[in-house]
Amino acid sequence: EIVLTQSPGTLSLSPGERATLSCRASQSVSSSYLAWYQQKPGQAPRLLIYGASTRATGIPDRFSGSGSGTDFTLTISRLEPEDFAVYYCQQYGSSPYTFGQGTKLEIK
Amino acid sequence: EVQVVESGGGLVQPGGSLRLSCAASGFTFSNYVMNWVRQAPGKGLEWVSGISNSGGSTDHADSVKGRFTISRDNSKNTLYLQMNSLRAEDTAVYYCAKGNTVVRGVIKYYYYYMDVWGKGTTVTVSS
Repeated sequence: EIVLTQSPGTLSLSPGERATLSCRASQSVSSSYLAWYQQKPGQAPRLLIYGASTRATGIPDRFSGSGSGTDFTLTISRLEPEDFAVYYCQQYGSSPYTFGQGTKLEIK
Repeated sequence: EVQVVESGGGLVQPGGSLRLSCAASGFTFSNYVMNWVRQAPGKGLEWVSGISNSGGSTDHADSVKGRFTISRDNSKNTLYLQMNSLRAEDTAVYYCAKGNTVVRGVIKYYYYYMDVWGKGTTVTVSS
């Protein structure tokens, strides 16, 4: 099983700042089959990024993903108030299709 | 509108059984892999089960293997999760989530990342 470790656990930033979230895998994620999701309280997760760097439909271009192998990054270039949420990475290269434990992005 | 809607959650005693359903609409259900993902209270996301577009291939997390069974009825556009021998640690919101398909030439590639999620159904295991 591939274990995904996200860091930091909590990130405190202000609107307008840049956010950098990390996801590290315990072994290489095949073909960069890594996705990122955003979840707000009381809501279902929302797909942001798949294939490590491809934005899902309707996702603003301030969200970008990068990385390969075992190290992946989600960057939000300029935080908007609605971006404060919990973010999860997920690998779908090999079953079980594990999630990271999440990074909470909170308003400073 | 593409959507999935879960049902069947509720309160069940430890050792009991429950069957969740997920009704899909707005897309060709038989073309996509499907998943169940759960979230315990105050915790993160856990992938539970996945099933191929035809239903011929299934997989489960180790935490539920042997107790849960995912299945689908493509004629009814419905996904199921049969949950047996339930434990307190199975208490969670259970989400149904659609996978993805990419067609390259004559070959279809199926991916287990999830672009459509339901609102979830709550399962509580308690005496």
